[in-house]
Amino acid sequence: DAGVTQSPTHLIKTRGQQVTLRCSPKSGHDTVSWYQQALGQGPQFIFQYYEEEERQRGNFPDRFSGHQFPNYSSELNVNALLLGDSALYLCASSSMAGIWDITDTQYFGPGTRLTVL
Amino acid sequence: DAKTTQPNSMESNEEEPVHLPCNHSTISGTDYIHWYRQLPSQGPEYVIHGLTSNVNNRMASLAIAEDRKSSTLILHRATLRDAAVYYCILTPGGGSEKLVFGKGTKLTVNP
Repeated sequence: DAGVTQSPTHLIKTRGQQVTLRCSPKSGHDTVSWYQQALGQGPQFIFQYYEEEERQRGNFPDRFSGHQFPNYSSELNVNALLLGDSALYLCASSSMAGIWDITDTQYFGPGTRLTVL
Repeated sequence: DAKTTQPNSMESNEEEPVHLPCNHSTISGTDYIHWYRQLPSQGPEYVIHGLTSNVNNRMASLAIAEDRKSSTLILHRATLRDAAVYYCILTPGGGSEKLVFGKGTKLTVNP
């Protein structure tokens, strides 16, 4: 059973460009969350998608947007890249039944390392 | 978002027990306590969670104070593979709720 997969592994962009990161959730999961992790910091919640809708959003500007597809995979888009957007972007999947079922947990992918020059 | 406080770093020797503390004095009655860890160059991984009672699983044990204002993650016999950053996180509900990470505790395991 493949876990959470993310692509690409690494990415280098220049300021002002746009980027799209991709995530495939663990089999059986329907919810995808995205996190940004700057060097030396803990991951910060960007947003969560369920049933192709943004369910929750963290404190990130509108330059950060996302999408979830019918097969539950997800994309994270970042427009007008800034140097400060350089970070590890993590995708986590879970089952919405986990809202009521505490036995469920979130599974993280290995992340995409984005460098903005 | 309920906050947690953890030491920045801890050190242990291989094959010895490790006790990682977490303070969460503002925890509400329905908050669950989760622990995740992040090994170098990997995404975080779930370790254990609990509400009121102590919990055990194959990875670790979670000891929760009676007033729930603190908890301790216990690794019974640390191995070099346990070297990671350990995060203590509170969530108001189930496992799908957003995770609010702090800086965590960086655990170093000495051979």
